[in-house]
Amino acid sequence: NAGVTQTPKFQVLKTGQSMTLQCAQDMNHEYMSWYRQDPGMGLRLIHYSVGAGITDQGEVPNGYNVSRSTTEDFPLRLLSAAPSQTSVYFCASSSAGSEANYGYTFGSGTRLTVV
Amino acid sequence: GEDVEQSLFLSVREGDSSVINCTYTDSSSTYLYWYKQEPGAGLQLLTYIFSNMDMKQDQRLTVLLNKKDKHLSLRIADTQTGDSAIYFCAVGKLIFGQGTELSVKP
Repeated sequence: NAGVTQTPKFQVLKTGQSMTLQCAQDMNHEYMSWYRQDPGMGLRLIHYSVGAGITDQGEVPNGYNVSRSTTEDFPLRLLSAAPSQTSVYFCASSSAGSEANYGYTFGSGTRLTVV
Repeated sequence: GEDVEQSLFLSVREGDSSVINCTYTDSSSTYLYWYKQEPGAGLQLLTYIFSNMDMKQDQRLTVLLNKKDKHLSLRIADTQTGDSAIYFCAVGKLIFGQGTELSVKP
């Protein structure tokens, strides 16, 4: 049982480049989300999805796009990378949305550096 | 908006109890959570408490909830070096605190 798989684990981008962070889960979870983790700031929600075809913005959505064409996959796209997007990105999934999310499972993270 | 606050660092000696505190502003949360993050890893759910409970105990972990003061705490009894990690408080639709880095010295 793989859980939540994120790729790549590490990435270095030049300013202005675009890329997609991949997230896949094999638990048939409806709810998926992307967070970024920065020192001293905890985790901040970027985008989330409550099911295939449905996405919504979180606290810090600017500069990021998402889509949810299947239940399993929830890729995060950086349109034009900026140094401020240097961070560790986590994908998470749950079998229930809203607050009943004690089944949340996190991926191991993608460490992104933008130079 | 919703806010969750934690102190950033806590250092204890092995065998002592650790108490990690969290304050929050969202009083409508049904569940409140504690997550643990070990170095280089993702977050792992440690425990959670329903908002209608005052206390929950799970082996070495005790969660205390004071709804009136909007204060949540996590007590780890007999802290071990393997407990060294960052601990996150989370409420509502997973609004996280900044994380408390627990350092356990032998």
